[in-house]
Amino acid sequence: GNSVTQMEGPVTLSEEAFLTINCTYTATGYPSLFWYVQYPGEGLQLLLKATKADDKGSNKGFEATYRKETTSFHLEKGSVQVSDSAVYFCALSDGGTSYGKLTFGQGTILTVHP
Amino acid sequence: NAGVTQTPKFQVLKTGQSMTLQCAQDMNHNSMYWYRQDPGMGLRLIYYSASEGTTDKGEVPNGYNVSRLNKREFSLRLESAAPSQTSVYFCATIPQAFYEQYFGPGTRLTVT
Repeated sequence: GNSVTQMEGPVTLSEEAFLTINCTYTATGYPSLFWYVQYPGEGLQLLLKATKADDKGSNKGFEATYRKETTSFHLEKGSVQVSDSAVYFCALSDGGTSYGKLTFGQGTILTVHP
Repeated sequence: NAGVTQTPKFQVLKTGQSMTLQCAQDMNHNSMYWYRQDPGMGLRLIYYSASEGTTDKGEVPNGYNVSRLNKREFSLRLESAAPSQTSVYFCATIPQAFYEQYFGPGTRLTVT
């Protein structure tokens, strides 16, 4: 079956530090990959996505590249802000046969200090 | 355009009580999903509905039932609540496969 593994958290950084959150996956076929963000007390919001190998998703200074050879989709940001403090989820969808069902990683808590 | 709405936002139940969590969407999406979120475990799929009139089990369906009332509404019922069902429940929708899911704000349920 499908699975997503994220780096263990929590992650604590100072403002303007570089962020990497690792994500690797196992899936049949050619999944779409997503990063979702959850701010305190809220639901999940899509941060970025990539639908095929070598695609780079980007949004709000965050980036992730779909690497089929390493089955990875690591999230990066060059300079984090306090407002980036949230829980980040990596997820995959293997598309039509599963009606768009998402498989999530366990989430990584990010705290950014001033 | 409210997107995905969930009611109630918070609920406390005693063991053995029943309740229904409501989800509605105004985006005309075909597929709808119910997830539960527990610390350190990400989100796990309970049930989903690929289209109006169909429902299927997800990863953790035991203790739950669902109803796809129409295209807009997808409810989740706990017939006899247990402390293990204490969690945050999220409803989500998707326009079609390979697209991102849109999530509601969640229902925080505590079973004592």
